[in-house]
Amino acid sequence: GQNIDQPTEMTATEGAIVQINCTYQTSGFNGLFWYQQHAGEAPTFLSYNVLDGLEEKGRFSSFLSRSKGYSYLLLKELQMKDSASYLCAVFANTGFQKLVFGTGTRLLVSP
Amino acid sequence: EAGVAQSPRYKIIEKRQSVAFWCNPISGHATLYWYQQILGQGPKLLIQFQNNGVVDDSQLPKDRFSAERLKGVDSTLKIQPAKLEDSAVYLCASSSDRVETQYFGPGTRLLVL
Repeated sequence: GQNIDQPTEMTATEGAIVQINCTYQTSGFNGLFWYQQHAGEAPTFLSYNVLDGLEEKGRFSSFLSRSKGYSYLLLKELQMKDSASYLCAVFANTGFQKLVFGTGTRLLVSP
Repeated sequence: EAGVAQSPRYKIIEKRQSVAFWCNPISGHATLYWYQQILGQGPKLLIQFQNNGVVDDSQLPKDRFSAERLKGVDSTLKIQPAKLEDSAVYLCASSSDRVETQYFGPGTRLLVL
């Protein structure tokens, strides 16, 4: 089966840097996604890592270590609008390609 | 490019009633997904279509849930009869292929009383 762990909630202040960790155990790993979900809205795509290393995209970066079953999402220069849930999702092949989501990390950014 | 469309956005029904949700994916996307997201949890895949064929429905409660994608474009998800525990957001997503990024619609918020 698949198991994905991420912290339930984190807080940070505007302008700061925050790192949201995700650990996973899965068979047939084919990549890891990060999605952002504002309250009451649909998840929106942030990043996709399939190889080890850091992928940078503006203020957001995502890191993957396949050997450790570990990823993190790094948010720099935090803004109030970054207050949202951040979902870690693993692309697993369990006979079928399937995206398995963690429970999400709710990030609260304060002034 | 238009995104994934879903309707209705909100629905309130009583238990044992039936309900249907509609989804129109991004134009040209062959793969369509229905997810259930219970408050405080991540989305859980219910069913995945490739064109008009079912790829994976292993987590669909088939005694009460059904879905179809007859012409390989839009799709409907039905619950009959609804239970209290079906209260959730039902998200539709699409991708150009099974291994590509999934894009989500705004969701239908269902409350079963």
